[in-house]
Amino acid sequence: EIVMTQSPAVLSVSPGERATLSCRASQSVSSNLAWYQQKPGQAPRLLIYAASTRATGIPARFSGSGSGTEFTLTISSLQSEDFAVYYCQQYNDWPPALTFGGGTKVEI
Amino acid sequence: QITLKESGPTLVKPTQTLTLTCTFSGFSLSTSGVGVGWIRQPPGKALEWLAVIYWNDSKYYRTSLRSRLSITMDTSTNQVVLTMTNMDPVDTATYYCAHRLVVTGTRCFDFWGQGTLVTVSS
Repeated sequence: EIVMTQSPAVLSVSPGERATLSCRASQSVSSNLAWYQQKPGQAPRLLIYAASTRATGIPARFSGSGSGTEFTLTISSLQSEDFAVYYCQQYNDWPPALTFGGGTKVEI
Repeated sequence: QITLKESGPTLVKPTQTLTLTCTFSGFSLSTSGVGVGWIRQPPGKALEWLAVIYWNDSKYYRTSLRSRLSITMDTSTNQVVLTMTNMDPVDTATYYCAHRLVVTGTRCFDFWGQGTLVTVSS
């Protein structure tokens, strides 16, 4: 099983600042990586897939980069609605053995 | 407009079998490329993928839970059913069903149900 490790576990930022979240895979997943946002009491929301492609309706302040084992989600200027937990998910394995990271909480 | 909704018991006893139903609209599981997955989240913890079923009735399971899981679909009623046997308190979690993003080569989920909390306790 591919293990996904996210860092930091908690990121404290101020509105308007830039946030950089990291995700590391235990082995190469190529660009087969997605990012999700989850707010308390809500289901996850897909932000990014294929490491850098924004999902439909996702604002341009969210961007993803990386390939292989190192990935980054950047939120260019944090808005109040962006404070949430963010998860990465790899989907490189076939047959599917999808795995999520442990999450990064972005707090004020 | 794609929607999904999970239904099933909120409380099960240890050793019992859990049956969850995902009822969806806005897409068809008869369409090439379409898939529905199940993902769970223990309280305060991370997401964990459980199973996925595709339009061609291909089914895949989390390796560590393969012996306990079964996923089926009914295209006439737009439902996907997940069965998990021999439930244990560690299986207490919110269970989500989700629509697979239909982009070639992806296995992630773009629409999710609201989730249903299942508690395992005697």
